[in-house]
Amino acid sequence: GAGVSQSPRYKVAKRGQDVALRCDPISGHVSLFWYQQALGQGPEFLTYFQNEAQLDKSGLPSDRFFAERPEGSVSTLKIQRTQQEDSAVYLCASSLEERRGEQFFGPGTRLTVL
Amino acid sequence: DAKTTQPTSMDCAEGRAANLPCNHSTISGNEYVYWYRQIHSQGPQYIIHGLKNNETNEMASLIITEDRKSSTLILPHATLRDTAVYYCIVSSPRGNAGGTSYGKLTFGQGTILTVHP
Repeated sequence: GAGVSQSPRYKVAKRGQDVALRCDPISGHVSLFWYQQALGQGPEFLTYFQNEAQLDKSGLPSDRFFAERPEGSVSTLKIQRTQQEDSAVYLCASSLEERRGEQFFGPGTRLTVL
Repeated sequence: DAKTTQPTSMDCAEGRAANLPCNHSTISGNEYVYWYRQIHSQGPQYIIHGLKNNETNEMASLIITEDRKSSTLILPHATLRDTAVYYCIVSSPRGNAGGTSYGKLTFGQGTILTVHP
């Protein structure tokens, strides 16, 4: 079956622009996670959704980062007024509710802020 | 979350077993050991997990010491396609007692495994 998909795969933004990154999780997966991966580092947790409810946003680095999942399926990560330090790969993962440790990751969106 | 310690890099000859160690001396009773790998330019891929018993699936085996303070991931017959960064993670899949971790994964630096022909 289809895995987790993310779009766009690559995004170049000028500093100060707003960007929106999309994640299509595996159908039926209640849990959805966003991670940020800087070059040469491991992924770092940003936020977690259980269906449409954002239960943990402790990893969001600033109030410029906003995530939503209004219908409990597709999720969007929005970054306002992008800065160079936002350049990273943004990974989305989904899982069954009862098996949250077994996460299926998408290919990521590589964001470059100039 | 408990932290893990892994070697920065390891090499392995194609066809031989790759044994990747991980220390997690502060693991708590409700935390599992998870292994993921990340091949270049791809998202991480789940490999295997365990609580206290050894586990085996089609990809690998996981050996957890009796005191649960360390574990070893074994790839029985490494191939060139197994070259990747391997992450050992401890996590509670249902969240912590206060219900605030929700099973998020805390990745460290991982081990860069290079499989040579």
